[in-house]
Amino acid sequence: EAQVTQNPRYLITVTGKKLTVTCSQNMNHEYMSWYRQDPGLGLRQIYYSMNVEVTDKGDVPEGYKVSRKEKRNFPLILESPSPNQTSLYFCASSLQGGRGTEAFFGQGTRLTVV
Amino acid sequence: TQLLEQSPQFLSIQEGENLTVYCNSSSVFSSLQWYRQEPGEGPVLLVTVVTGGEVKKLKRLTFQFGDARKDSSLHITAAQPGDTGLYLCAGGRVGGSNYKLTFGKGTLLTVNP
Repeated sequence: EAQVTQNPRYLITVTGKKLTVTCSQNMNHEYMSWYRQDPGLGLRQIYYSMNVEVTDKGDVPEGYKVSRKEKRNFPLILESPSPNQTSLYFCASSLQGGRGTEAFFGQGTRLTVV
Repeated sequence: TQLLEQSPQFLSIQEGENLTVYCNSSSVFSSLQWYRQEPGEGPVLLVTVVTGGEVKKLKRLTFQFGDARKDSSLHITAAQPGDTGLYLCAGGRVGGSNYKLTFGKGTLLTVNP
């Protein structure tokens, strides 16, 4: 089954404790991205990757890092989480970052930073 | 600045009623997508429109892309409880090396039995 898998689904952590949210897709997609979804603000892009070893900032990259060492994986790293990073995070992949391309989303990771 | 404005933000209707959700922008997009998101899940694509004036139908859902490619609407006929969810529009356009999707804040639809 074609899917985007995120782990963990839920995470509660403390300020400053480094964490990684994993994302894996089995569709051989080139383009992957991370979003955060907040009430009243909608979905906002954090980082994206056009292909292996090619990553770039989205709209709200501060406090986040990503890597793309393999085509299927695109982890999101929070080196020193802060409470304002409490949010619902989604990883998405698409065949290419092109016109009309369908984005496939993971089920989300609800992160709480206390 | 919110590039895509969706209205209404919330909509609660009875089963069998018709409804229209709007997605408006002052910017031109090369494509417009509609997604539906259910609680605890990620958004799932419903439709993509790429041509100004394009109309697409998906069973009881009708999607329209404005002639100027700045706005779109989603019309649901005879709504059912299974249509309940968050409807998101997303405009696509090139930004540097990125083909970026900009999402609206969504319309939360509740269809009551």
